[in-house]
Amino acid sequence: ETGVTQTPRHLVMGMTNKKSLKCEQHLGHNAMYWYKQSAKKPLELMFVYNFKEQTENNSVPSRFSPECPNSSHLFLHLHTLQPEDSALYLCASSREAGGSYEQYFGPGTRLTVT
Amino acid sequence: AQSVTQPDIHITVSEGASLELRCNYSYGATPYLFWYVQSPGQGLQLLLKYFSGDTLVQGIKGFEAEFKRSQSSFNLRKPSVHWSDAAEYFCAVGYLRNDMRFGAGTRLTVKP
Repeated sequence: ETGVTQTPRHLVMGMTNKKSLKCEQHLGHNAMYWYKQSAKKPLELMFVYNFKEQTENNSVPSRFSPECPNSSHLFLHLHTLQPEDSALYLCASSREAGGSYEQYFGPGTRLTVT
Repeated sequence: AQSVTQPDIHITVSEGASLELRCNYSYGATPYLFWYVQSPGQGLQLLLKYFSGDTLVQGIKGFEAEFKRSQSSFNLRKPSVHWSDAAEYFCAVGYLRNDMRFGAGTRLTVKP
């Protein structure tokens, strides 16, 4: 495997379910990111981890809970979601956190909340 | 606060025609500038980046971009568009110790 992988690619869940999104990077990077991409809205940065430490939480509701057990893996735990949370969730990684390093993106998880 | 503007939401060009996608940023410091492309159902792929030096940078797939400090712009160009270039294009701006900021994107349609 190369680059950034995300599983699952598609997820349909009810508002009372609990699910997790997984991201793995094979680039030797130290920073990982979660973004939300909704139709007709700019890319929204949700969380940033740098050397396994969370450095950014952009006022994301607590129903989204990130976890970064090591520099290669990132999870997004989901519970009690709302229909407006339906979106494409993108994971990215970079050498370190900060705007000077290019980010490499996974293919995304298309989430539908019913 | 830093911001990125892509004035064109949607652009249509004919195959073989030239292309220019606009990007403007607002902030005082020297930025790190990026262009990404996203095909339907996919993640973002880095096309090119500017950090310093020559203001005209070459990227993958025949794209280039020019940094103009006086206009706070970083426009993406391609001399001859191919049907496979149809996608969404995102400009991004970053600064040291700040997160990268993305523009809202420009959707490119290519007519046969």
